[in-house]
Amino acid sequence: DQQVKQNSPSLSVQEGRISILNCDYTNSMFDYFLWYKKYPAEGPTFLISISSIKDKNEDGRFTVFLNKSAKHLSLHIVPSQPGDSAVYFCAASDHDKVIFGPGTSLSVIP
Amino acid sequence: DSGVTQTPKHLITATGQRVTLRCSPRSGDLSVYWYQQSLDQGLQFLIQYYNGEERAKGNILERFSAQQFPDLHSELNLSSLELGDSALYFCASSPYGMGAYGYTFGSGTRLTVV
Repeated sequence: DQQVKQNSPSLSVQEGRISILNCDYTNSMFDYFLWYKKYPAEGPTFLISISSIKDKNEDGRFTVFLNKSAKHLSLHIVPSQPGDSAVYFCAASDHDKVIFGPGTSLSVIP
Repeated sequence: DSGVTQTPKHLITATGQRVTLRCSPRSGDLSVYWYQQSLDQGLQFLIQYYNGEERAKGNILERFSAQQFPDLHSELNLSSLELGDSALYFCASSPYGMGAYGYTFGSGTRLTVV
C-alpha cells in the first residue's frame, strides 16, 4: 500500500527550462511534506519542505506547491541546471513515521 | 561529509549468513532511522530509535533487528539472509523524535547477498 506515490519514474528537461516533479499521497493525516535529492553513491539530502497548513513554499530556484484537496504536491525547479540531475524523493510525515515515495530520476540536458 | 557515518560501505555475503550494519549519527542528534532501498524501490522505512528507545517501526522483517546504544550509535542486524535482502541500507539521524524535518542521511551500506 503506497501512501506516497511518484508516478513518473523519470523526467528529462532542457537546461534553462522548468522541471516539474509530481507527488500524490493518500493519507490526509500527513502534516509535513518534504523533497529530498539523491546523487549516485550518496545518501539523500534535504531540499525543501512544506507544512500541511501552507500551499506554497519557495527557496531560490525551488518551489513546492501543495494542493490538499487533491492530495497532490509538486516541486518546480526554475531554471533547471545540469547539476540538478538526480533522483528526487517526495516524503510525507505523520508525526511518527516518514514515508518516502519511489523517486523520480531527473535528467537536465545541456 | 553529512556527519552521519555508516560502515561498512560495501558488504558481500552468502545466503543464510548474518551481518551487522553500523551507524554513527550526527553529533547531537538523538534519533536514528534505518531505511532500505531495493532496486527500483523507494526508501522503505524500517525502524526508528530515539535516545536509545524504539520509537517507530515500519516494514521490518522479523529476521532483522536493530538497537541504539548509550553513545547513540545504532546497529542493524540482518540474519538468515536471502537474495532479496540485497539492497542499499541508509541510516539517517535527526535531533528530533518525530517528523522528517532535519533528517541527515549517511551515504549508505550496499549489501549484496550471493
